[in-house]
Amino acid sequence: AQSVSQHNHHVILSEAASLELGCNYSYGGTVNLFWYVQYPGQHLQLLLKYFSGDPLVKGIKGFEAEFIKSKFSFNLRKPSVQWSDTAEYFCAPNTNAGKSTFGDGTTLTVKP
Amino acid sequence: GAVVSQHPSWVICKSGTSVKIECRSLDFQATTMFWYRQFPKQSLMLMATSNEGSKATYEQGVEKDKFLINHASLTLSTLTVTSAHPEDSSFYICSAARGGIIGNTIYFGEGSWLTVV
Repeated sequence: AQSVSQHNHHVILSEAASLELGCNYSYGGTVNLFWYVQYPGQHLQLLLKYFSGDPLVKGIKGFEAEFIKSKFSFNLRKPSVQWSDTAEYFCAPNTNAGKSTFGDGTTLTVKP
Repeated sequence: GAVVSQHPSWVICKSGTSVKIECRSLDFQATTMFWYRQFPKQSLMLMATSNEGSKATYEQGVEKDKFLINHASLTLSTLTVTSAHPEDSSFYICSAARGGIIGNTIYFGEGSWLTVV
């Protein structure tokens, strides 16, 4: 069975601080990896995705993530967060069957 | 712009009634769509896989007779919550893969808030 673990449930940062959100998954087969963001009152939006190739992927709004196969990890990073990054972040591995398994989510609060 | 659309965004229904939620792929055909549910302060949980022209596949613990899924066309899947109860109040969201489910981006609808009173 596929599972995903997000280590940080709630992260509070000041503006301009650096961000790293952990994501580890367990799945024996090929997975595609996604990070989604959900702003308050809004629907899920895709931040970035990894299918193959360069393990360091860049997404929208300055976010990036690194796939480390040996660690089954796909951590999300941003060098300098902004107040507008306050949101819920979900890591979601997706198998070739199309099913997404969501982590519990990490609530990021950025203080102005 | 949105590539997967859900309707309605918000719905309030009385306990015991049924409510239908639609999920449409706007500019692509989706033979497979997925329905998720998100309770407050929790993550999204897959409910079922909707297959065009065939029966949906339900995840363990999801009642197929309560959550009826119909994928009648390549751009539309519907989820009907039958005999709704207050505990069915939740955020329901669908997804579809543009270009098929292999190696392609999954797009999510805006979600539908259901409140059963």
